[in-house]
Amino acid sequence: ETGVTQSPTHLIKTRGQQVTLRCSSQSGHNTVSWYQQALGQGPQFIFQYYREEENGRGNFPPRFSGLQFPNYSSELNVNALELDDSALYLCASSPYDRKLSFGPGTRLTVL
Amino acid sequence: AQTVTQSQPEMSVQEAETVTLSCTYDTSESDYYLFWYKQPPSRQMILVIRQEAYKQQNATENRFSVNFQKAAKSFSLKISDSQLGDAAMYFCAYKRGAQKLVFGQGTRLTINP
Repeated sequence: ETGVTQSPTHLIKTRGQQVTLRCSSQSGHNTVSWYQQALGQGPQFIFQYYREEENGRGNFPPRFSGLQFPNYSSELNVNALELDDSALYLCASSPYDRKLSFGPGTRLTVL
Repeated sequence: AQTVTQSQPEMSVQEAETVTLSCTYDTSESDYYLFWYKQPPSRQMILVIRQEAYKQQNATENRFSVNFQKAAKSFSLKISDSQLGDAAMYFCAYKRGAQKLVFGQGTRLTINP
């Protein structure tokens, strides 16, 4: 039981649109990170938030942005969607520097 | 930059047999963590086993054990008495402190009844 939930489960958007994905973490999990997993690939790190501040970012353009809220929820926003943004988006949270718990992911399809 | 390589895209094993999944990594650091994660079709990433680099003893979790060779930068996963429920994608991952997880490309494990 991870206690990390993500919404929605599936999402279909068209190229150029904007999308917001949501993650709800367990109480006390002040660190949240987001990963993009393309089909048949390993997850790639997008960014990490610690106490509502971004403290690490992977090789993703600025149109990928995020927020972390005091209630241990977080958002991943993607602007100007491209076809290559189609992927499974995973949220993972933890108390700082402790074991990560992953959510079940959001499957985004961009047409 | 740290990299993780899984050279076996697919593996298969007979039920009740033993299988070993390979992983190599590249880092200049001496203090880090290594993980094996299981991702079944449900997509949930499940931690199988974790190894701290400063510990020489190989980690074990029931039927799962690792062979950690720090000098060779090798971290293999052995699954004993394979069960149908072990079928999944397996990812090797590296992490240093509170930093990001770096994943390998994954190995798809099939269990033959």
